[in-house]
Amino acid sequence: GAVVSQHPSWVICKSGTSVKIECRSLDFQATTMFWYRQFPKQSLMLMATSNEGSKATYEQGVEKDKFLINHASLTLSTLTVTSAHPEDSSFYICSASPYYEQYFGPGTRLTVT
Amino acid sequence: QKEVEQNSGPLSVPEGAIASLNCTYSDRGSQSFFWYRQYSGKSPELIMFIYSNGDKEDGRFTAQLNKASQYVSLLIRDSQPSDSATYLCAVISNAGGTSYGKLTFGQGTILTVHP
Repeated sequence: GAVVSQHPSWVICKSGTSVKIECRSLDFQATTMFWYRQFPKQSLMLMATSNEGSKATYEQGVEKDKFLINHASLTLSTLTVTSAHPEDSSFYICSASPYYEQYFGPGTRLTVT
Repeated sequence: QKEVEQNSGPLSVPEGAIASLNCTYSDRGSQSFFWYRQYSGKSPELIMFIYSNGDKEDGRFTAQLNKASQYVSLLIRDSQPSDSATYLCAVISNAGGTSYGKLTFGQGTILTVHP
């Protein structure tokens, strides 16, 4: 149980385009979902927290207009990286929380060329 | 002082030994504690969570929590080479009252189990 999926697992896009990443909780309902990014050999960095049906809460320094989060249902949240640039290349990981514990998706590796 | 501190390691143990991973936290009001395992290039995987003082066992893993000392640990018995990974301690801290269930991670301990 407690499986979280992410799609796509990896994506390459050109600078200036937008990329959407989906996060789904497959066998539980997630009251809260979280989005992280991780650069090589660095710690996870929380980008934003989203609750179903409400606006996401962004961490300080994260551009809300660049990283659009939509928590459409209790099992689906999406992250859209708008006008991507090479510095946005990273490992994006979502997590879903049915209660207190967080279960992580497998991550999406984004490369912007 | 960091909110959650771990020894960064690396911690190296022989196969079959007990690996002991330690974590301290600064917010005395913290209630929920988690251990995650992260293999290189992969996302974190939840191993254990513990909410009450004492020990909690699951297979080869035992989590220990001492709220008075603000200390949580993870013991891995009969360590295997496949246990080699980075282990992340995480706490739901209510610092500032805006946690939203947000995890605060330690910097991780790199564990290597050698045959």
